Amino acid sequence: KQEVTQIPAALSVPEGENLVLNCSFTDSAIYNLQWFRQDPGKGLTSLLLIQSSQREQTSGRLNASLDKSSGRSTLYIAASQPGDSATYLCAVLNYGQNFVFGPGTRLSVLP
Amino acid sequence: ETGVTQSPTHLIKTRGQQVTLRCSSQSGHNTVSWYQQALGQGPQFIFQYYREEENGRGNFPPRFSGLQFPNYSSELNVNALELDDSALYLCASSLRDSLVNYGYTFGSGTRLTVV
Repeated sequence: KQEVTQIPAALSVPEGENLVLNCSFTDSAIYNLQWFRQDPGKGLTSLLLIQSSQREQTSGRLNASLDKSSGRSTLYIAASQPGDSATYLCAVLNYGQNFVFGPGTRLSVLP
Repeated sequence: ETGVTQSPTHLIKTRGQQVTLRCSSQSGHNTVSWYQQALGQGPQFIFQYYREEENGRGNFPPRFSGLQFPNYSSELNVNALELDDSALYLCASSLRDSLVNYGYTFGSGTRLTVV
């Protein structure tokens, strides 16, 4: 059974810092991995999608890496801003074509 | 192109009642998946519908059931509501081609409170 964990559970940083969020998964048989952002009480916004054959994806200040063999992914956020405050969810898409989500990292960027 | 829309946005029900949540899929998508997100946790997969049939189910009891209609919209029904059913219910649509789903798009969710 696939399990996804995320570290840290919560993070509070001053504006402008670079930060790294970590995700681990137990079964390397995944189709892809996605990072989502969720604002309080809202739905999910896809940030980055990494196919199982890829190593990383970049979008603006965000960079995500994937090491499938070790079951790890990281989300790097450069020059953090208060608007980045949200919960960040890591999810793996298995071959049954449903997502298994981690519990999320709650990020607070202080002005 | 329209996104995924869910209704209602908020709902309060009494323990033991039944509830129906609705989801309209994104234009061009033919598959709908439902997820339950309890407070402070990540979403949990409930089930997926493709071609109006259930195509995969998570660890949820039979009182959670669903439908998909010819226009690819979907309903999630929960019978005999329990307090632990209080959660944000998320719908996601995608385009299934052969064995692969593309373009997963999530709706904003329905917040269900059971009292």
